[in-house]
Amino acid sequence: SQQGEEDPQALSIQEGENATMNCSYKTSINNLQWYRQNSGRGLVHLILIRSNEREKHSGRLRVTLDTSKKSSSLLITASRAADTASYFCATAGGGGSNYKLTFGKGTLLTVNP
Amino acid sequence: IAGITQAPTSQILAAGRRMTLRCTQDMRHNAMYWYRQDLGLGLRLIHYSNTAGTTGKGEVPDGYSVSRANTDDFPLTLASAVPSQTSVYFCASTAAGPNTGELFFGEGSRLTVL
Repeated sequence: SQQGEEDPQALSIQEGENATMNCSYKTSINNLQWYRQNSGRGLVHLILIRSNEREKHSGRLRVTLDTSKKSSSLLITASRAADTASYFCATAGGGGSNYKLTFGKGTLLTVNP
Repeated sequence: IAGITQAPTSQILAAGRRMTLRCTQDMRHNAMYWYRQDLGLGLRLIHYSNTAGTTGKGEVPDGYSVSRANTDDFPLTLASAVPSQTSVYFCASTAAGPNTGELFFGEGSRLTVL
């Protein structure tokens, strides 16, 4: 069963606008990660936020984590047409010798030029 | 540095045939994973290996087997393919320490079972 669930399933915006995607999960986590997938390609890691962190930035990306609500958000500022892709959140549960990531179903972001 | 290499990139297979998807990484990562990606279902973990010589079952292991004879290779075998195994398969690896680590993905193997 999916651990993370992204919302919305699809998002269409104009270039220059901000895009916000949300992720909710069910059980306790060690960290939460966001990945990007261009059509027909493999997933690429964007950012990792640990369970004891509340906010993290990387370039135009801002990720927040609220462990009390079991939710995270990914904000992409000043979007570009090249940001068009599917975005997935992934949660890491077991640690050490049992490290695994569970992925959500993704948000398809379309940035129109 | 190639990262993760998967082969074949695409394959059409008759039901009942045996098929092995290959995955090789050159990053000396200890942990490796196989996921399948299906429209509307996202990525689901099939099998994983935390270190050479060990493997474990993921969320959807039935009909699949894996082996991890060395650090670099993690093949996925479908002993007798069925149409429901039509999917895109992704291999991934990580140098995860306890409780952390990003995954590096291959470009995927698109498998169609007729």
